[in-house]
Amino acid sequence: GAVVSQHPSRVICKSGTSVKIECRSLDFQATTMFWYRQFPKQSLMLMATSNEGSKATYEQGVEKDKFLINHASLTLSTLTVTSAHPEDSSFYICSAVRSGLGTQYFGPGTRLTVT
Amino acid sequence: GESVGLHLPTLSVQEGDNSIINCAYSNSASDYFIWYKQESGKGPQFIIDIRSNMDKRQGQRVTVLLNKTVKHLSLQIAATQPGDSAVYFCAEIVNAGNMLTFGGGTRLMVKP
Repeated sequence: GAVVSQHPSRVICKSGTSVKIECRSLDFQATTMFWYRQFPKQSLMLMATSNEGSKATYEQGVEKDKFLINHASLTLSTLTVTSAHPEDSSFYICSAVRSGLGTQYFGPGTRLTVT
Repeated sequence: GESVGLHLPTLSVQEGDNSIINCAYSNSASDYFIWYKQESGKGPQFIIDIRSNMDKRQGQRVTVLLNKTVKHLSLQIAATQPGDSAVYFCAEIVNAGNMLTFGGGTRLMVKP
């Protein structure tokens, strides 16, 4: 068990458009989900912590108005990249914390390319 | 762990040999450590974890060693196989929280 999915797995969009990425915990409830960004040959950098039913907590340097996070249910969090620019091109990965256990389970990632 | 910028350190080993991947951490309040494996284009995959009250933990073909005195963590992979080729990250959690802080990563290349 403990499967986390992301959709889409890969997206290409034009500069100035918005893109929504979904993160779902398929077989468990997750009160907390995390969003990471990973540039090529680099480590994962935490962007924000998403808590079900409350506002996300953003890491320093991450624009909350640009990266909109919604955690509407115990199994779904969404990240919307608004007015995307080429520098937003990256690999976006979510993780979900299984309620009561604290272990983070990672999704497969979403490759965003902004042209 | 520390980020190594745009150049991941690479460990190249012969198939069948043992691999040792190292990680340094800086926060003495870290009390839980995890090793992840990440294959190209995929999310991190849990390998093994260790709590700060332990100095060694063994899994199947993998062993994690923790030296709190020098804030050092290592992952040992026995009889390395081509399928072990990936980037390996250590991650730490502080004070029993949920937030992971990732190290810079090491690329393991296994030569057949």
